[in-house]
Amino acid sequence: GAGVSQSPSNKVTEKGKDVELRCDPISGHTALYWYRQSLGQGLEFLIYFQGNSAPDKSGLPSDRFSAERTGGSVSTLTIQRTQQEDSAVYLCASSAGRPYTFGSGTRLTVV
Amino acid sequence: SQQGEEDPQALSIQEGENATMNCSYKTSINNLQWYRQNSGRGLVHLILIRSNEREKHSGRLRVTLDTSKKSSSLLITASRAADTASYFCATDEEYGNKLVFGAGTILRVKS
Repeated sequence: GAGVSQSPSNKVTEKGKDVELRCDPISGHTALYWYRQSLGQGLEFLIYFQGNSAPDKSGLPSDRFSAERTGGSVSTLTIQRTQQEDSAVYLCASSAGRPYTFGSGTRLTVV
Repeated sequence: SQQGEEDPQALSIQEGENATMNCSYKTSINNLQWYRQNSGRGLVHLILIRSNEREKHSGRLRVTLDTSKKSSSLLITASRAADTASYFCATDEEYGNKLVFGAGTILRVKS
């Protein structure tokens, strides 16, 4: 597609449930990034994929968070046993260098 | 971790006035970028300035970079109500592989 697509747009889940967030990057973009933005805050880096290289997972806040990127394209961010502090907007971006192109994000609410 | 620190945190001006936002950072960079965010969702890239550049223009936007002071400013001239948004600086660290975002400035332009 023409842009970065994220789904779902909004997700409400119960505390303790697992959630999967999807990102479909721009075709041909080898780099894919996940960021998290809590209410009124800046963007917190989570994870970075570049081609077939091992991902940079240095930003994942706990082992409840994981992400994969299949076939160098679509990425899924999984949060297990969600907590209320996981509530945030999760943003995906892709690039073929700089700058990034961001998706519209997934707003996750844990109740 | 956040590298860019922006000020002010919030700015309210009248339509037609100029808006200036500042960003400071801590490490050596390859470039610095400014992004805009409407309604807490996806970010849109505005302008990129490389570490060997001091000033750059794009339409009503003017960005300056002072690497000796590790600071940048974004000037929006002749502001419009449609410029109301959050503005983020992001640094591309010299030895990093991802953008590091500041906390952002919330700009409100009153008509």
